[in-house]
Amino acid sequence: GQSLEQPSEVTAVEGAIVQINCTYQTSGFYGLSWYQQHDGGAPTFLSYNALDGLEETGRFSSFLSRSDSYGYLLLQELQMKDSASYFCAVRDNTGGFKTIFGAGTRLFVKA
Amino acid sequence: KAGVTQTPRYLIKTRGQQVTLSCSPISGHRSVSWYQQTPGQGLQFLFEYFSETQRNKGNFPGRFSGRQFSNSRSEMNVSTLELGDSALYLCASSDQASGGASGELFFGEGSRLTVL
Repeated sequence: GQSLEQPSEVTAVEGAIVQINCTYQTSGFYGLSWYQQHDGGAPTFLSYNALDGLEETGRFSSFLSRSDSYGYLLLQELQMKDSASYFCAVRDNTGGFKTIFGAGTRLFVKA
Repeated sequence: KAGVTQTPRYLIKTRGQQVTLSCSPISGHRSVSWYQQTPGQGLQFLFEYFSETQRNKGNFPGRFSGRQFSNSRSEMNVSTLELGDSALYLCASSDQASGGASGELFFGEGSRLTVL
């Protein structure tokens, strides 16, 4: 089967940098994506890494190491509005394509 | 372009009843995935449809079923409801299977089901 591990909660201060790690186990790995979800809202796509390395999109960056089955989301210059849940997700092709999500990391940004 | 639309947004059912949820994907998207979200459990994959065919199914009992129509709209059905089925049911669409090369899924606001 497939499994993903990420921390359940992270707390950081406004203006700081925070890194959310994700490790995964799957036999049909195609890529790792990240989603943000505010309370009561829909998950929204942040980034996708299919190849090793760092992808940067504004204040957010995402990294993937396929050999280590590991990735992370880096949030810089934290703002209060970044307080949300962040999910890593694996695009997997075991028995057909599907996207499997981790349990999510709740980020609290303090003033 | 309109986003993913899910109906109804909220519903309350009693144990033993059945429920049908609807999802209209973004125009042009042929892939629709369904997820169950409960507190602390993340998003649990239910199934994915692409061009009217179920391409993959998660680890849920047979009470959970779905289908996709020729216009890519999708429905999921839960029969013989149990208390544990109370959850937010999310639908996501993409132009290719499971997000394709971009990996991007577009989610609807969800249908919140409460089973009493």
